[in-house]
Parts: sequence; structure tokens; C-alpha cells
Amino acid sequence: EVQLVESGGGLVQPGRSLKLSCAASGFTFSNYGMAWVCQAPTKGLEWVASISTGGGNTYYRDSVKGRFTISRDNAKNTLYLQMDSLRSEDTATYYCARHGDSSPFAYWGQGTLVTVSS
Amino acid sequence: DIQMTQSPSFLSASVGDRVTINCKASQNINRYLNWYQQKLGEAPKLLIYNANSLQTGIPSRFSGSGSGTDFTLTISSLQPEDVATYFCLQHNSWPTFGAGTKLELK
Repeated sequence: EVQLVESGGGLVQPGRSLKLSCAASGFTFSNYGMAWVCQAPTKGLEWVASISTGGGNTYYRDSVKGRFTISRDNAKNTLYLQMDSLRSEDTATYYCARHGDSSPFAYWGQGTLVTVSS
Repeated sequence: DIQMTQSPSFLSASVGDRVTINCKASQNINRYLNWYQQKLGEAPKLLIYNANSLQTGIPSRFSGSGSGTDFTLTISSLQPEDVATYFCLQHNSWPTFGAGTKLELK
């Protein structure tokens, strides 16, 4: 069974950093592209970043380019999101998602809440 | 970015009803449209991918249709366990989501 478990969320002041992790199990992690998606309170879902199987290709939405870094450790079956220069508008639940054989965003974790506030 | 307009935002229906939810893309996305179900406190679950392909393990009462800009998710006979929020995702280009439809029992 595919399992994705996010961690690392919490309360952080504006301008500070936070690193999210997503522990994967139940599948061969290195075979699949991965992504982060966020959902701000009372708002819709937004794609944040994606990464290829080997980590060599990364993609970001414009609002996080230069501030967030997606990475992965295939030996540890873990996906990361380094979040720097955090802003209040980054407050959201962050989900990691695994791409499928026929479609992206096939499996999701339950999310971790990031609150950016002074 | 491609905008996804989802309707209705709220839906109340009875057990056994046929339920339809719509997503309209701001430009042609071919068939690159997924549907998801999210129950309170749970991870989103993929129901339909590429407009009309049923994900493994999903009951056959769920179906998807459409191509180009207009898409529909249909639940043929609503069950109590279908109470959830449903949302669409286009992956023809940088992915964007619909705002969601909250489905409740009447």
C-alpha cells in the first residue's frame, strides 16, 4: 500500500525557514516523480513544486521560485521541501503527492500545516 | 495559468440520486483532467484520471466524461460514504485545481 507521511510543519515567524519531509513507503520511491501541493485556509489547492525521479529536474510555481527548494533522497525514500524567506501568504497545509504510471498526483499524504505568523 | 471553474460549489443530494459535478477549463486541456475525493481529515483520493479512466479500486458508480474545456464527474447512485469534497485538476500544463464541490446528504 502506498503511504506518504508528511512532517515538519509548525508555527514560524515571517522571514524564517522551515523544512518539510515526506516519508514514502509501499512502492519503489526512486521510480516516481513527486510533488508538493498546498491548500491555504478556506482556499483551493495550489501546486507548489515537482521533482523528477532522480532529482535532476525541478519545477516551481512563480510565487515560490527562489525561496523554496524541492529535493529528494532516494536512499532514504524521502521527499523534502526547504522553505526560506517565509511569508504570511505561505500559510497552508502542505501535501506531498506521488505521480502515477498514467497520471500525475495519483497518491497523496494527509498533509502538514505550516503557519507563518509573528 | 489555465483557470479551472468548478460548479456547483455546494451540493445536497439524497441517497440513490444521480449527482454531477462540472469543471470548465479556460483553454483546451485535451483529456488531461483528474477528479479527486477528499473526506474530512483524510488525504485526497484519485477517482478518475485523464477525463474518463477509473482509478483502480474506485467503485464503478463514479465516472468521468468530457474533453477540451468541459468535463463532468458523475456519481450514478449516491451512497452515504460519498459525502466529501470533490475537486478537479488539469495537468495539460502547469497544474491547476478547481475550487472544489462540497457534497452533503439531504
